[in-house]
Amino acid sequence: QERLVQSGAEMKKPGASVRLSCKASGDTFTAYYLHWLRQAPGRGLEWMGWIHPNSGGIHSAQKFLGRLSMTRDTSISTAFMELTRLTSDDTAVYYCATGESLSDLGTSGWFDPWGQGTLVTVSS
Amino acid sequence: EIVMTQSPATLSVSPGERATLSCRASQSVGTKLAWYQHKIGQAPRLLIYSASTRATGVPARFSGSGSGREFTLTISSLQSEDIAVYYCQQYTNWLRMYTFGLGTKLEL
Repeated sequence: QERLVQSGAEMKKPGASVRLSCKASGDTFTAYYLHWLRQAPGRGLEWMGWIHPNSGGIHSAQKFLGRLSMTRDTSISTAFMELTRLTSDDTAVYYCATGESLSDLGTSGWFDPWGQGTLVTVSS
Repeated sequence: EIVMTQSPATLSVSPGERATLSCRASQSVGTKLAWYQHKIGQAPRLLIYSASTRATGVPARFSGSGSGREFTLTISSLQSEDIAVYYCQQYTNWLRMYTFGLGTKLEL
């Protein structure tokens, strides 16, 4: 089964940006939407957005519009997420996760598998 | 936005006992409901999708039920390795929005 391996922990100052990576093993990177989610300390899981692995098209949750960009490099089966204008509220563990098959017609929407997570700490 | 409410927040259990976790949606999601197990320091693991279908490799002691607004995850005979936080997630707004409950923490 595909595995997702994420980049290491980051520490950033308020106002900075952070760029995370998510590398897929196996040969299914271009067959599924790749999603980004996060979990702040003491809070639940929060969906952020997805990227279409072939077209590079993206869709973000409303609250991240203008701050979140997602890209991918299919030659290395890796997706990237950049979040700008960081505040302490962005301190969280960030996850990538495989979502819907590109051939899906609206029947799915669960996430499997997930990456191991990347801790991003925003502090002055 | 569909709000997912899980109860209880914490459930104290003993090995071998049955554990019943609840998830309620603020509006109907049909059967577009998934359950995840999340252990500290690990990636969340998909347990159940489409409200009642076990994911590959998930033990038969895990079962999901419900439709519409009310859902249940049952662990028939709790094992020590089942200690984790369990989340429900709705995916009725395909490719547009996904929301999770705040989780139920199983503890011994």
